[in-house]
Amino acid sequence: GAVVSQHPSRVICKSGTSVKIECRSLDFQATTMFWYRQFPKQSLMLMATSNEGSKATYEQGVEKDKFLINHASLTLSTLTVTSAHPEDSSFYICSARDLLTGRPGEAFFGQGTRLTVV
Amino acid sequence: AQTVTQSQPEMSVQEAETVTLSCTYDTSESDYYLFWYKQPPSRQMILVIRQEAYKQQNATENRFSVNFQKAAKSFSLKISDSQLGDAAMYFCAYSPEYGNKLVFGAGTILRVKS
Repeated sequence: GAVVSQHPSRVICKSGTSVKIECRSLDFQATTMFWYRQFPKQSLMLMATSNEGSKATYEQGVEKDKFLINHASLTLSTLTVTSAHPEDSSFYICSARDLLTGRPGEAFFGQGTRLTVV
Repeated sequence: AQTVTQSQPEMSVQEAETVTLSCTYDTSESDYYLFWYKQPPSRQMILVIRQEAYKQQNATENRFSVNFQKAAKSFSLKISDSQLGDAAMYFCAYSPEYGNKLVFGAGTILRVKS
């Protein structure tokens, strides 16, 4: 299957600072990327959907100004957690779909990023 | 809106035995896709099996098979000859035919006993 690389896998940052998480599709063009948040032993909660070259669509309740998403190219999307606070500590996962040539419905996932805000 | 329900928070199975994980979903669409994803302790999401709603034949992938009941909106996963490596959290997911989002169930933690 297609490969999605997410970096970093773990990050610790100080409260009030910003942290950027990258999500790259290595061998396909990701027309659409998704960012999820996952709490321990819970399901993936969709935060936002981004299409290359356009603004991200955020799910209800997700702060756009806190979670900045950029999808500037067909292989890269970034999530920036701005002014991070301890309650932002979580596991963040990206996934990507190739709506042009990929199998319908199928998504590929990055390895996830564990963010700890101290 | 589409919803996916996994009613079993945790399941246990003895090694080499068979276990079935349940999933029901709600949709008004006639064409869609259903998936089972595995999330091991590494937390990497791994696609286990996929089913197209227009196909009556149940999907199979080696030891993994599904029982897809479209009228009942049920999509269970059967794992045969369970192995220790099957221990993980399993998510059932739905995708409309036209649309971006995957809708996930709450997940089922599968424990495999040796």
